[in-house]
Amino acid sequence: GAVVSQHPSRVICKSGTSVKIECRSLDFQATTMFWYRQFPKQSLMLMATSNEGSKATYEQGVEKDKFLINHASLTLSTLTVTSAHPEDSSFYICSARSSTNQPQHFGDGTRLSIL
Amino acid sequence: AQSVTQPDIHITVSEGASLELRCNYSYGATPYLFWYVQSPGQGLQLLLKYFSGDTLVQGIKGFEAEFKRSQSSFNLRKPSVHWSDAAEYFCAVEYGNKLVFGAGTILRVKS
Repeated sequence: GAVVSQHPSRVICKSGTSVKIECRSLDFQATTMFWYRQFPKQSLMLMATSNEGSKATYEQGVEKDKFLINHASLTLSTLTVTSAHPEDSSFYICSARSSTNQPQHFGDGTRLSIL
Repeated sequence: AQSVTQPDIHITVSEGASLELRCNYSYGATPYLFWYVQSPGQGLQLLLKYFSGDTLVQGIKGFEAEFKRSQSSFNLRKPSVHWSDAAEYFCAVEYGNKLVFGAGTILRVKS
């Protein structure tokens, strides 16, 4: 149980392109989803928290116009990296949980490479 | 500010040997505590969690962790390591509805 699917697993695209990453909870309803960024050989940094039907809450230093988050249903959240540039290249990981007294379950991540 | 410390960046153990990965946190109250494992290029898998109750927590794959309030620690242990345990391990603490991760410990297993 508690499976989170993230798609695509890898994206390579040109600078200036917008890229959408999907995060789905397959066997539970996720009231809250989280988006993280992980640089090589580093830990995860929380980018934003999204609750279904509400606007996402972004961490300090994360540009909300650059990283658009939509949590339209209890099983789907999307992260759109708008007008991506090489410095946006990273490993992006989502997580989801059903309630506040449950652990977060993570997707397999998306490797984004901007040329 | 709240923080999570994993003092060992790399650990190498022989297959079949015991393992202990250290984790310390700073927080005023008793937090929710987690250990996750990450294989290269993949997401994180939950090994175990502590919310309350028995301070010795059993997880998947034969791992356990012990919460010691007096030491603000939540060390991960396994009595006999398998080659497939080679991965990166993250300790995490939940503060105010968010997870704060340690820097991670890379486990290498030698045969």
